[in-house]
Amino acid sequence: NAGVTQTPKFRVLKTGQSMTLLCAQDMNHEYMYWYRQDPGMGLRLIHYSVGEGTTAKGEVPDGYNVSRLKKQNFLLGLESAAPSQTSVYFCASRTVYGYTFGSGTRLTVV
Amino acid sequence: AQTVTQSQPEMSVQEAETVTLSCTYDTSESNYYLFWYKQPPSRQMILVIRQEAYKQQNATENRFSVNFQKAAKSFSLKISDSQLGDTAMYFCAFMKPTSGSRLTFGEGTQLTVNP
Repeated sequence: NAGVTQTPKFRVLKTGQSMTLLCAQDMNHEYMYWYRQDPGMGLRLIHYSVGEGTTAKGEVPDGYNVSRLKKQNFLLGLESAAPSQTSVYFCASRTVYGYTFGSGTRLTVV
Repeated sequence: AQTVTQSQPEMSVQEAETVTLSCTYDTSESNYYLFWYKQPPSRQMILVIRQEAYKQQNATENRFSVNFQKAAKSFSLKISDSQLGDTAMYFCAFMKPTSGSRLTFGEGTQLTVNP
């Protein structure tokens, strides 16, 4: 099925651990994004990419890294997780009409 | 930088009635897009409606319509004949079609439709 797929859907990390969130889209979209959602703050942009091999910082990039080695994949990495990174993470790709979002990853850092 | 403000954290409405969600934004751009997204308890982000700034006509999608006031920088969403399935968090969002087409979101409004 066409769309944006995020893995994993849930994860619990200990402070200081690292992990990578994977986002895959099969719609051949150039632009992809990583957002985090926190209560009362809407969604905030972490990093984005306008094409294979490109990445750029968004509004809240600190503590995260990204890579776009293949057009269809956009990876979000946490090198040393902190409790402040407890959040729901959304990946999205841009369509003509707006964005298509993945179903989100709930990450808890303890 | 653009900002989007939703001043109503929570709202409720009776089934079959009409409700309006407010959104204001701040930008110096003349060409941009505005969106309303719905997020039900499933967490999925669903596009409800979009408006191009250069269009004077307000967008409409079935029971959903917007009141776009460009000079006032206001973009409200009206839901007619509210249904229980409309219960969700609603986000207003702004996008300018340059600089990566990034979306800027408001804080969200939690809408509850009561039977």
